[in-house]
Amino acid sequence: KAGVTQTPRYLIKTRGQQVTLSCSPISGHRSVSWYQQTPGQGLQFLFEYFSETQRNKGNFPGRFSGRQFSNSRSEMNVSTLELGDSALYLCASSLGDPISYEQYFGPGTRLTVT
Amino acid sequence: AQSVTQLDSQVPVFEEAPVELRCNYSSSVSVYLFWYVQYPNQGLQLLLKYLSGSTLVKGINGFEAEFNKSQTSFHLRKPSVHISDTAEYFCAVSIKTSGSRLTFGEGTQLTVNP
Repeated sequence: KAGVTQTPRYLIKTRGQQVTLSCSPISGHRSVSWYQQTPGQGLQFLFEYFSETQRNKGNFPGRFSGRQFSNSRSEMNVSTLELGDSALYLCASSLGDPISYEQYFGPGTRLTVT
Repeated sequence: AQSVTQLDSQVPVFEEAPVELRCNYSSSVSVYLFWYVQYPNQGLQLLLKYLSGSTLVKGINGFEAEFNKSQTSFHLRKPSVHISDTAEYFCAVSIKTSGSRLTFGEGTQLTVNP
């Protein structure tokens, strides 16, 4: 079974631009969660999508948004990029229903904002 | 709100020595507990989890952890480490009402020296 895939793996953007990251979950998984990993703040939860609906949300500004498609693939978007948005963005998939506490992480997208 | 504290940011050990990575948590409700490992330039891999039942949990790669409710701890142990265990280890908690949302500790860098 293929694992969680994230594209692109690396991305360089300029302050003020916007960016879209993609996550394809493991086949059969309907929940996708997003996390931001930085040296200063560590791993922080962004949001979770299940059946195309946001089921849970972390404490990030509205510049961070996401969506999920009918095939469970998910995208996250960051608008008006700031230098502090430079991070590794990880997505994780799980079965979703019933809530599964076993999550599988992708390799991440390394975003650098200059 | 729940929180996780990993008591050591770096743990250097020699190959074949035992190791313990310490994790304490704080929560006003019952928690589920996890240990993840992250190798360089990769995502997170689940080592083991405690949801209920026996407080001694065995995971992959010879790791085990013990849930201690009175001490609010979930320390990770391995009796004999290998060079290949060099990685960053994250302790995480989740609570029933937060779905699959994970709150992570700051991480412990385990370095196994020959």
